[in-house]
Amino acid sequence: QKEVEQDPGPLSVPEGAIVSLNCTYSNSAFQYFMWYRQYSRKGPELLMYTYSSGNKEDGRFTAQVDKSSKYISLFIRDSQPSDSATYLCAMRGNTGGFKTIFGAGTRLFVKA
Amino acid sequence: EAGVVQSPRYKIIEKKQPVAFWCNPISGHNTLYWYRQNLGQGPELLIRYENEEAVDDSQLPKDRFSAERLKGVDSTLKIQPAELGDSAVYLCASSNKGGSDTEAFFGQGTRLTVV
Repeated sequence: QKEVEQDPGPLSVPEGAIVSLNCTYSNSAFQYFMWYRQYSRKGPELLMYTYSSGNKEDGRFTAQVDKSSKYISLFIRDSQPSDSATYLCAMRGNTGGFKTIFGAGTRLFVKA
Repeated sequence: EAGVVQSPRYKIIEKKQPVAFWCNPISGHNTLYWYRQNLGQGPELLIRYENEEAVDDSQLPKDRFSAERLKGVDSTLKIQPAELGDSAVYLCASSNKGGSDTEAFFGQGTRLTVV
């Protein structure tokens, strides 16, 4: 079993829809939770990060962490065609050299 | 501010040949990472540098891979000899959080194809 599980999709939604992207994990030591966006043939770009549990909002994006369930989510409101990309969750602990573990990424397509 | 610069963007080589990738991190970033991203997967850390020192190279296949970061700025990742299974995107990233890659910035990557 991988430390971080993420549904690869693809996920196709119409423009304006609310998108929900999720990851589960097995290592209870993870404390930092990140979401990256990766356009085709580009490097990952950090969208948001959250420390421990709770919610964090940034514009149309909301990140949620539920440590009790080992489950994290990224919500995208009013999705746009420009949001079409691969979304990678990533997480790491607070010790042990800060090694970050990435999910496999979910491919999102937003149709105009 | 210039981002992380990698070159070349694409490289096609025959198996058993050597190959090298170059990375110039964001100015002032002390921490530099090399990741490998296989098709349909997330990046996996190969090596992390703090200035000139490789502080985590546990995932680097040392029989064929080597890396250096002279003067704590630019870095080079080398594979010799390359194998078919090395085909992947090699990503460089940097951060200035003293070992934290929570806010690491990635370059565009070098896409390696071994034939």
